[in-house]
Amino acid sequence: QKEVEQNSGPLSVPEGAIASLNCTYSDRVSQSFFWYRQYSGKSPELIMSIYSNGDKEDGRFTAQLNKASQYVSLLIRDSQPSDSATYLCAVQGTNDYKLSFGAGTTVTVRA
Amino acid sequence: EAQVTQNPRYLITVTGKKLTVTCSQNMNHEYMSWYRQDPGLGLRQIYYSMNVEVTDKGDVPEGYKVSRKEKRNFPLILESPSPNQTSLYFCASSAGPPAGPYNEQFFGPGTRLTVL
Repeated sequence: QKEVEQNSGPLSVPEGAIASLNCTYSDRVSQSFFWYRQYSGKSPELIMSIYSNGDKEDGRFTAQLNKASQYVSLLIRDSQPSDSATYLCAVQGTNDYKLSFGAGTTVTVRA
Repeated sequence: EAQVTQNPRYLITVTGKKLTVTCSQNMNHEYMSWYRQDPGLGLRQIYYSMNVEVTDKGDVPEGYKVSRKEKRNFPLILESPSPNQTSLYFCASSAGPPAGPYNEQFFGPGTRLTVL
């Protein structure tokens, strides 16, 4: 079973600041990495996917992947109160179609 | 409207009483999956299906069964529920395995199950 670990949080940041979320994974052959956002009482929604080393930017979100260090992160720039949610890191390996999730990091953006 | 539906949304049952949670998608997706979500443990995959009549175990399949007789439906069956299966369950679907850049998973609204 692949293990996916996230910084436990909760993470509280002031409005306008950068929120930094970290995720490490145990399966070295993992190839696909995702960040989901889950508002309280709602289902997860995909916000970022990344497949190769480096940075990927989408609006205020930047995902960073380092396969050698087995590390993937998510930066939220100019954090807004609407970004307050739990962020889930998910990892998929090459040899199967299972998706493994971390426990999530809860982010609160203070107005 | 493209969506994944689950029924029931809430269920309280007793140990040993067989139950089925239905999942249906209207997007002609090939890949469907069931997850359970527990505090501190995140989402854990129970079973997934690559297509009709093709299913495989996820990370926590014990105590669950699934079937995929039609492309749109992927029911989750608990033949003899136990209290440790009390959880929040999500069904999800995508065009293909979640690995691809165009295979975003869409999640259903969730089913909160309590087994007494």
